[in-house]
Amino acid sequence: TQLLEQSPQFLSIQEGENLTVYCNSSSVFSSLQWYRQEPGEGPVLLVTVVTGGEVKKLKRLTFQFGDARKDSSLHITAAQPGDTGLYLCAGGGYQKVTFGTGTKLQVIP
Amino acid sequence: GAGVSQTPSNKVTEKGKYVELRCDPISGHTALYWYRQSLGQGPEFLIYFQGTGAADDSGLPNDRFFAVRPEGSVSTLKIQRTERGDSAVYLCASSRHSNYGYTFGSGTRLTVV
Repeated sequence: TQLLEQSPQFLSIQEGENLTVYCNSSSVFSSLQWYRQEPGEGPVLLVTVVTGGEVKKLKRLTFQFGDARKDSSLHITAAQPGDTGLYLCAGGGYQKVTFGTGTKLQVIP
Repeated sequence: GAGVSQTPSNKVTEKGKYVELRCDPISGHTALYWYRQSLGQGPEFLIYFQGTGAADDSGLPNDRFFAVRPEGSVSTLKIQRTERGDSAVYLCASSRHSNYGYTFGSGTRLTVV
């Protein structure tokens, strides 16, 4: 079974601060996805990374896939209250994706 | 439709009863997935359909759980003899064959009392 551990589990920060969330595994993944989930909703896909060492940017969010394709990070610059939510990494391919344990982020105005 | 639709949004049932949860995927998405999510946790894989057939049902916890997708579109997750431990949010997702990344519905919150 492929396991994805996320850290930290909880994060509460002030608006304007920067933060990084980590996603680690002992398994190699063909691709890795990041989702954000708000209460009462399903996860929403933010990005997919497929190449080791790949870096993708989405406005204030920067995603990196580890060289060995076993880990990933999500960095948020100047966090906004709208960034509040549960951040999930998910590894695998088309047929089945394994989700991480999640990082619950709260951005305080 | 524009998104993945799940009904009902909430379901409260008594222990031992049978329930059906429905998922209507995005039109044209051949792959459909069911996940289960407990509070504060990541979604847990249950079953994956490619077209009408279950390509991977390794996540179904036991034989009380069953899912169908008879026409390759709408899917129904069926749970027999429900137990309190079945209480969770059941999420459905769909995707195109060639894309990575899923589109999720809002889920069905199942509460077994």
